[in-house]
Amino acid sequence: KNEVEQSPQNLTAQEGEFITINCSYSVGISALHWLQQHPGGGIVSLFMLSSGKKKHGRLIATINIQEKHSSLHITASHPRDSAVYICAVGIQGAQKLVFGQGTRLTINP
Amino acid sequence: NAGVMQNPRHLVRRRGQEARLRCSPMKGHSHVYWYRQLPEEGLKFMVYLQKENIIDESGMPKERFSAEFPKEGPSILRIQQVVRGDSAAYFCASSPLRDRTFYEQYFGPGTRLTVT
Repeated sequence: KNEVEQSPQNLTAQEGEFITINCSYSVGISALHWLQQHPGGGIVSLFMLSSGKKKHGRLIATINIQEKHSSLHITASHPRDSAVYICAVGIQGAQKLVFGQGTRLTINP
Repeated sequence: NAGVMQNPRHLVRRRGQEARLRCSPMKGHSHVYWYRQLPEEGLKFMVYLQKENIIDESGMPKERFSAEFPKEGPSILRIQQVVRGDSAAYFCASSPLRDRTFYEQYFGPGTRLTVT
């Protein structure tokens, strides 16, 4: 079993829909990152969080440390949100990230 | 404040040649991480370096791969005698490590290596 599991692996939705991507992890972490990657593109860090909730524009990230679970929400989704969203955890005591397999999101107009 | 810079962005090498990938961290960052993304696979940690020191190389293949981060200049990921299986996107990230508990890593645009 991977240390970081994301669901769903693929998600297709219509423009305007509310999107939720989930991430569960099985190790002790110091922080959790949500990253965005466009096809053939670089990686953009969306959030780093270790507790609670963060919001940036239409994006919201939450984390529940006790349940070892995080969610990324996108409100009023738009075709430009189409990308791969990656959950990554910073392993406690080690300065490296362990990544989920990514969720490929497609928003249709 | 320029972001993390990687060059080249695309690199084509024939089997058996050497590949050198460069990473310049963000200004003020002294910690560099290299990650590899194989085609249709997730990102995997390779190595973590501070200036002049390799801190964690647990993700580096045992042979042909090496990394350095000299006192002056960029970090270099070197792959000797490349094989087709080395074709991948190689991402560098840097962090300031101001806080030993939480760290934020900033990613470069990646180098896409193709071995023919």
